[in-house]
Amino acid sequence: DAKTTQPNSMESNEEEPVHLPCNHSTISGTDYIHWYRQLPSQGPEYVIHGLTSNVNNRMASLAIAEDRKSSTLILHRATLRDAAVYYCILRDPFYNQGGKLIFGQGTELSVKP
Amino acid sequence: EPEVTQTPSHQVTQMGQEVILRCVPISNHLYFYWYRQILGQKVEFLVSFYNNEISEKSEIFDDQFSVERPDGSNFTLKIRSTKLEDSAMYFCASSEVGPGLADYNEQFFGPGTRLTVL
Repeated sequence: DAKTTQPNSMESNEEEPVHLPCNHSTISGTDYIHWYRQLPSQGPEYVIHGLTSNVNNRMASLAIAEDRKSSTLILHRATLRDAAVYYCILRDPFYNQGGKLIFGQGTELSVKP
Repeated sequence: EPEVTQTPSHQVTQMGQEVILRCVPISNHLYFYWYRQILGQKVEFLVSFYNNEISEKSEIFDDQFSVERPDGSNFTLKIRSTKLEDSAMYFCASSEVGPGLADYNEQFFGPGTRLTVL
């Protein structure tokens, strides 16, 4: 599974949008981009995933660059509850037969009231 | 909403003792995982399990570790002889869909068991 690069930390104000970037310049054609987050003192939690097209769900949006070498997780209106470490993870479902997720350091998002 | 549960929430043990960490995955899920997170560090994959056998394991998962699905609901991680460096948060996860079948392999994580080895 290819490597990702994320900023160590970001700050946001409550009720404002947040754009969390992820670089994955060595992504392969079959790597899916997954985002998980880990709230304080909790287990990781799935947020969203995609392959090539932008994706939306009730939690967030995922914008994927045309060349797929980067992606951005968008929280449309940050709340205090969104303060967490956000992980961008690449998974190739065809070669990663064990299904493991390889976590990096992630981006620690803090949200100010 | 269904969730993964883990017991105990905190386990304290003496070095060299055996511990068993327990997990109840979501009932219709077929793929099970253990991860650990040493305080202040990354979440690390330990092992994946499907159809009553290990699918993949990491270098961390040595002979001191074993996993079992003793009945239709529990999934356990056993550490035979604990070391100080085994102190960590251990997370169980489960997923419905197989990793090789589709891209969609959302893993649901439990709240974790904090293991402290003295």
